[in-house]
Amino acid sequence: AQSVSQHNHHVILSEAASLELGCNYSYGGTVNLFWYVQYPGQHLQLLLKYFSGDPLVKGIKGFEAEFIKSKFSFNLRKPSVQWSDTAEYFCAVNGGGATNKLIFGTGTLLAVQP
Amino acid sequence: NAGVTQTPKFRILKIGQSMTLQCTQDMNHNYMYWYRQDPGMGLKLIYYSVGAGITDKGEVPNGYNVSRSTTEDFPLRLELAAPSQTSVYFCASSYLSDSYEQYFGPGTRLTVT
Repeated sequence: AQSVSQHNHHVILSEAASLELGCNYSYGGTVNLFWYVQYPGQHLQLLLKYFSGDPLVKGIKGFEAEFIKSKFSFNLRKPSVQWSDTAEYFCAVNGGGATNKLIFGTGTLLAVQP
Repeated sequence: NAGVTQTPKFRILKIGQSMTLQCTQDMNHNYMYWYRQDPGMGLKLIYYSVGAGITDKGEVPNGYNVSRSTTEDFPLRLELAAPSQTSVYFCASSYLSDSYEQYFGPGTRLTVT
């Protein structure tokens, strides 16, 4: 069965610090990978996604993620965080197929201090 | 487009009561999903539907029921509410295409006491 692990449950950073959030998945076949963000009191929004091609994916608000197939990883990065990046971040995996079901990680709560 | 809408936003139920959480999307998406979100647990899939008249169980279906009579609507029914069903419920939809992106509604915060 597919699963997703996010190792950082709670991260606290100062503004302008660099961010890297880990995501590892278990699935042997072709995968589609996603990072969603949930700002306080809001619903989930897509940050970026990977389907194929260039393993370095750029998303909204300066975020990027790198797919490393050999490590089953899809880590999220941002060179310089802002206070407005305070949110919960979810990694998700989809093995394709007819149902498009997503398996989510447990989330990483990021707090950026001004 | 309104996207995915959910009602109500908040609800408090007593143990044993029933209720229906409403979900509507106006994007003509074939696929719809119900998730629950609990602190530190991420999102768990309750039920999903690949089209009108077709539904199937997800990871955590016990205590819930769904129906899909139209493309737009995908209500989630709690028949006998239990404290374990206290959670935030999100509905999502997608169109099976190259994007596979799921679009989420604003959520319903449910408390069962």
